[in-house]
Amino acid sequence: EAQVTQNPRYLITVTGKKLTVTCSQNMNHEYMSWYRQDPGLGLRQIYYSMNVEVTDKGDVPEGYKVSRKEKRNFPLILESPSPNQTSLYFCASSLSGTKHEQYFGPGTRLTVT
Amino acid sequence: AQSVSQHNHHVILSEAASLELGCNYSYGGTVNLFWYVQYPGQHLQLLLKYFSGDPLVKGIKGFEAEFIKSKFSFNLRKPSVQWSDTAEYFCAVFIYNQGGKLIFGQGTELSVKP
Repeated sequence: EAQVTQNPRYLITVTGKKLTVTCSQNMNHEYMSWYRQDPGLGLRQIYYSMNVEVTDKGDVPEGYKVSRKEKRNFPLILESPSPNQTSLYFCASSLSGTKHEQYFGPGTRLTVT
Repeated sequence: AQSVSQHNHHVILSEAASLELGCNYSYGGTVNLFWYVQYPGQHLQLLLKYFSGDPLVKGIKGFEAEFIKSKFSFNLRKPSVQWSDTAEYFCAVFIYNQGGKLIFGQGTELSVKP
């Protein structure tokens, strides 16, 4: 089944404790992206990757890191999480950029205390 | 700056009522347009998309949308909603300039009363 998977689905952590949210897709998509969803703000892009070893900042990259060592994986790293990073995070992939339909993962609900 | 506006933040309808959700964007060039739906506790799914051609596009589950270029709008419609349409709906616009950028609207929460 074609899908985007994310882990963990739920995470409660404390300020400053490094964490990684994994994302994997099995559709051989070139493009992958991370979004955060906050009430009243819709989805805002954090980082994206056009292909392996190519990543770039989205609209709200501060406090996040990403890497794209393999085509299928695009982990999101929070080196020192803060409470303002409490949010719902979605990974997405598409054939080639956001001009095409994106396929979204199930989301990761992160709470930073 | 380019933006996407969804005018209704929360819409409440009774079953069988007609639905129209507004989406306007602020860019005059070439765009691709999308509506995504997020059912409670689930991930976003594509409802429909417009790239070119017939401005009236049909999507899944009886939804349709009309692209009106002169009004920079891409409103979502459904003639008769069901309780199962309760969800959040997001309009998204891909802008063909400067490498391309996808912008999401703030979302509209639809509640359908049985």
